[in-house]
Amino acid sequence: AQTVTQSQPEMSVQEAETVTLSCTYDTSESNYYLFWYKQPPSRQMILVIRQEAYKQQNATENRFSVNFQKAAKSFSLKISDSQLGDTAMYFCAFTGAGAGSYQLTFGKGTKLSVIP
Amino acid sequence: KAGVTQTPRYLIKTRGQQVTLSCSPISGHRSVSWYQQTPGQGLQFLFEYFSETQRNKGNFPGRFSGRQFSNSRSEMNVSTLELGDSALYLCASSLLPAGNTGELFFGEGSRLTVL
Repeated sequence: AQTVTQSQPEMSVQEAETVTLSCTYDTSESNYYLFWYKQPPSRQMILVIRQEAYKQQNATENRFSVNFQKAAKSFSLKISDSQLGDTAMYFCAFTGAGAGSYQLTFGKGTKLSVIP
Repeated sequence: KAGVTQTPRYLIKTRGQQVTLSCSPISGHRSVSWYQQTPGQGLQFLFEYFSETQRNKGNFPGRFSGRQFSNSRSEMNVSTLELGDSALYLCASSLLPAGNTGELFFGEGSRLTVL
C-alpha cells in the first residue's frame, strides 16, 4: 500500500518570500504520478502541479516548482514570491500509473498562511 | 465550461437517518471519484466509477454506497448515519480513469453534519 507523509502540519511565510512544503511517499511501484493540490478556505480543491515519476526534470508552474527526488521518495513544493492568495491547505498526493490504479492517496496536508 | 457540481452543499441529519449526495461531473468526464474529508483522518477514498461501473471501493463499511448514471452523474448514499460520518464529502471527476493520469477536478463538497 502506498503512503504519503507531510511532516509540517502548519507553516507560515511572509508575503513575497519563498516557502518549501515537504512530502515523502512510500511505494513499490516503478511508475506513478505525484501531485500537489491546494484547498483554499471554504473553496474547492485545485491542482497546483503534477510530476510524472519517469520524468527526471522537475515540474514548474509559474511561481510553483517541485523538487522530485525519486530515490529518496521525496516530493517537495516550492512557492516563490508568496501571495496572500496562496493561503490554503496543501495536499501532496500519489497515484500509481498502472491499470489497477483507481485512486489518489493523500497526505494529511500542510496549512500554509501567508502573512502580509 | 462548468465545473464539478455537488448538491446539496450543506445538510444536517440525525443518527440513523440516511442521506444521498449528488455529483455532476465536468461535461465529457466519465470518471467520478468520491472522497471523505475529516480533520482527523484527512482525505480518504470512498469509491470510483467509470462508465457506470464501480472500479474500486475504499475501506468503508457497506453503509456507504454509490452509483453512476449513463450521463456520468453520480450519487452516493450513506445509510444508518453515525456521528462519525460527519465530514466534507468531495466528488472529483476526470476525463480518463483516475489511475491513468491522476488529475482530478474537485467539486466544492457536501458538508454533512450528523447530530
